[in-house]
Amino acid sequence: DTGVSQNPRHKITKRGQNVTFRCDPISEHNRLYWYRQTLGQGPEFLTYFQNEAQLEKSRLLSDRFSAERPKGSFSTLEIQRTEQGDSAMYLCASSSPARQGAGYGYTFGSGTRLTVV
Amino acid sequence: TQLLEQSPQFLSIQEGENLTVYCNSSSVFSSLQWYRQEPGEGPVLLVTVVTGGEVKKLKRLTFQFGDARKDSSLHITAAQPGDTGLYLCAVPGETSYDKVIFGPGTSLSVIP
Repeated sequence: DTGVSQNPRHKITKRGQNVTFRCDPISEHNRLYWYRQTLGQGPEFLTYFQNEAQLEKSRLLSDRFSAERPKGSFSTLEIQRTEQGDSAMYLCASSSPARQGAGYGYTFGSGTRLTVV
Repeated sequence: TQLLEQSPQFLSIQEGENLTVYCNSSSVFSSLQWYRQEPGEGPVLLVTVVTGGEVKKLKRLTFQFGDARKDSSLHITAAQPGDTGLYLCAVPGETSYDKVIFGPGTSLSVIP
């Protein structure tokens, strides 16, 4: 169990640029989640996948945001035409139905800190 | 309107003191989780409670789920600097039990 890996750890970009983040979940976890966290707040749900299927998207996920998990393994989150309000920590988590049913919860990565200047 | 409220928002205490933080809602939940998040890292699950009135202990941490399953508390005995972090409660989503909704957190600082 190597944990959930997120890259990059930090990203500084100019307003209007596109950015892409990557998440590698724990290999045996078929569920993958993206959350956004701003300073002083708890994580806010963005979207989640079961295998390669994107099953739910929050209304927080505007048209500028897109997430993919093409082979049911790693996932990418892309933000187009970044705005200063997109500055936040983007967290990825993975789990499996069996783990969640047993109360084990999510395993989170260390996040990608995005700063839009 | 937040589904979950946590209090206090910030707490700064001396090493060795005891403390309690709270998670409250007007909704009833099938389960509730507590996570701890250290600066620059993702949250780490501490405990899951599922039964009204349930008490779970994890070393110096005691978690209680309210009888009506609407609220929870976390009590830390003899706090240590390593307890510093953001304590988050989380519950299953209202429309989907496959996702988890987090509260705003209590930021705890334990001063040596």
